[in-house]
Amino acid sequence: EAQVTQNPRYLITVTGKKLTVTCSQNMNHEYMSWYRQDPGLGLRQIYYSMNVEVTDKGDVPEGYKVSRKEKRNFPLILESPSPNQTSLYFCASRRGGTDTQYFGPGTRLTVL
Amino acid sequence: AQKITQTQPGMFVQEKEAVTLDCTYDTSDPSYGLFWYKQPSSGEMIFLIYQGSYDQQNATEGRYSLNFQKARKSANLVISASQLGDSAMYFCAMREGLEKDDKIIFGKGTRLHILP
Repeated sequence: EAQVTQNPRYLITVTGKKLTVTCSQNMNHEYMSWYRQDPGLGLRQIYYSMNVEVTDKGDVPEGYKVSRKEKRNFPLILESPSPNQTSLYFCASRRGGTDTQYFGPGTRLTVL
Repeated sequence: AQKITQTQPGMFVQEKEAVTLDCTYDTSDPSYGLFWYKQPSSGEMIFLIYQGSYDQQNATEGRYSLNFQKARKSANLVISASQLGDSAMYFCAMREGLEKDDKIIFGKGTRLHILP
């Protein structure tokens, strides 16, 4: 089944404790993105990647890192999480030359 | 400046009626794409419809159609014959420049309630 998976789905952590949210897609898509969703703000893009080893900033990259060492994986790293990073995070992917973006199920992160 | 504007935070519509969700956008790039996504209460994001800036005809997908008015920079989503299952959050989004990068901007969304 074609899908985008994210892990963990829920995470409660404390300020300053490094964490990684994994994202994996099995569709051989070139493009992958991370978004955060906050009430009243819609979705905002954090980082995107157009292929392996090619990443770029979206609208709200501060406090986040990403890497794209393999085509299927695009982890989101919070080196020192803060409470303002409490949010719902979505990973998404799409094939180059197409328009449909496939979203993962979301990761609800709470930083205390 | 906000690039995607959805002016209706919430809407209530009677079942079986048609619904129009508003979206206006702002870009100086002649090449762009416009999207609509649905987010039910379960939280997943579901792609509904896409319109390219050079597409001559309005996009349609089943009960969904996109009323694309380029000169007015509007890309309203029309849902015909609404159903209870259409109750959800709806987001309009835009990608500028097509494949030159993958920056995508979302609006703040409209919460649609379908009344029985």
